[in-house]
Amino acid sequence: RKEVEQDPGPFNVPEGATVAFNCTYSNSASQSFFWYRQDCRKEPKLLMSVYSSGNEDGRFTAQLNRASQYISLLIRDSKLSDSATYLCVVFYGGSQGNLIFGKGTKLSVKP
Amino acid sequence: GAGVSQSPSNKVTEKGKDVELRCDPISGHTALYWYRQSLGQGLEFLIYFQGNSAPDKSGLPSDRFSAERTGGSVSTLTIQRTQQEDSAVYLCASSADGGANTGELFFGEGSRLTVL
Repeated sequence: RKEVEQDPGPFNVPEGATVAFNCTYSNSASQSFFWYRQDCRKEPKLLMSVYSSGNEDGRFTAQLNRASQYISLLIRDSKLSDSATYLCVVFYGGSQGNLIFGKGTKLSVKP
Repeated sequence: GAGVSQSPSNKVTEKGKDVELRCDPISGHTALYWYRQSLGQGLEFLIYFQGNSAPDKSGLPSDRFSAERTGGSVSTLTIQRTQQEDSAVYLCASSADGGANTGELFFGEGSRLTVL
């Protein structure tokens, strides 16, 4: 089965906080991993890819743990504008239909 | 604009009616996807087109759903005899290649379908 599981949240954090989301996937043969961001009533947009060695983009850090089959997203120094739903996306290989989106984790950053 | 364009943005229809949703992808993008998103749910894959290859229809939930892509560009998703459970936001995305390789799918703003 091709499943991508995320804690739906919501995560309510104050500005400046550090927050981390995890996402687990069901198939060890998964090939590629991504985080998308979706603002309320808007379309999803790619936030960052997740590489085996881990990668950082400003305040955002993505990690992959293949042994435990999870990926994580760490946001440092949270801003009000980070409030959104974060979607974990896993590509299981083969058909493009095997690009599976998680249901998302909702983040709300408060003043 | 240069983004993915979808129409209509909102559609309210009566149960049993047919609806057509349109997607105009980014120019030059060979890959086109249809997803749907119900309230509070993740994106559900429906269908994928890549160039002139046969589409991957594995996500279509029933034979009431069909999609075409004419001339490798504009796509139309058709839902026949709509049911209330078809109510959702239908999202179209395009990518320059198999988006799963880079992860970068460009989504339209979606067509919100409400079946009464």
